Amino acid sequence: NAGVTQTPKFRILKIGQSMTLQCAQDMNHNYMYWYRQDPGMGLKLIYYSVGAGITDKGEVPNGYNVSRSTTEDFPLRLELAAPSQTSVYFCASSYGGHMNTEAFFGQGTRLTVV
Amino acid sequence: AQTVTQSQPEMSVQEAETVTLSCTYDTSESDYYLFWYKQPPSRQMILVIRQEAYKQQNATENRFSVNFQKAAKSFSLKISDSQLGDAAMYFCAYRSPSGGSNYKLTFGKGTLLTVNP
Repeated sequence: NAGVTQTPKFRILKIGQSMTLQCAQDMNHNYMYWYRQDPGMGLKLIYYSVGAGITDKGEVPNGYNVSRSTTEDFPLRLELAAPSQTSVYFCASSYGGHMNTEAFFGQGTRLTVV
Repeated sequence: AQTVTQSQPEMSVQEAETVTLSCTYDTSESDYYLFWYKQPPSRQMILVIRQEAYKQQNATENRFSVNFQKAAKSFSLKISDSQLGDAAMYFCAYRSPSGGSNYKLTFGKGTLLTVNP
């Protein structure tokens, strides 16, 4: 049981390049999330998904896209990378419903756009 | 929209002493969940403790306990017998029980805890 696995752990992108951050969970969670963490700030929600085939925007979705073709995977796509997207990205998953369940986090991806 | 405020950007404590980290939140909901997460230098987000708003009893997990004051919308974390391994960034987080994006966690900006030997 690996939990939430994110790849890569580190990446440097040039302005205008694109990349996909991978996220996979093996806990059969229906909810998955992408957050970004900027220095001195808490985590802000980029996109979330309540199940396969269903995604929606969070607080800061501009410049990102997601897909959820399976329960396990929730990749985050950056198109035309900009310096403002330099951040640490976290994927998380949880059960939905009226349950007091915690969110499980991946180890994060540190992305630098130069 | 819910907001979470951590008014202490940094705190320090001597090893074996007790420290309290503050958190306040704003919500119009009566039922919700509150969490404290720990983020060590490894970046891993680790759940420390959780509290259901409908429970009056304060949650406790070993050396970690909370002081949940629902009327004051306050949710502080007390760490007793502080250890060097407690040094980390601590985030307070709020989650609504409602559906859709309300299942997301709303985080405070964090408190950086230093433990001095």
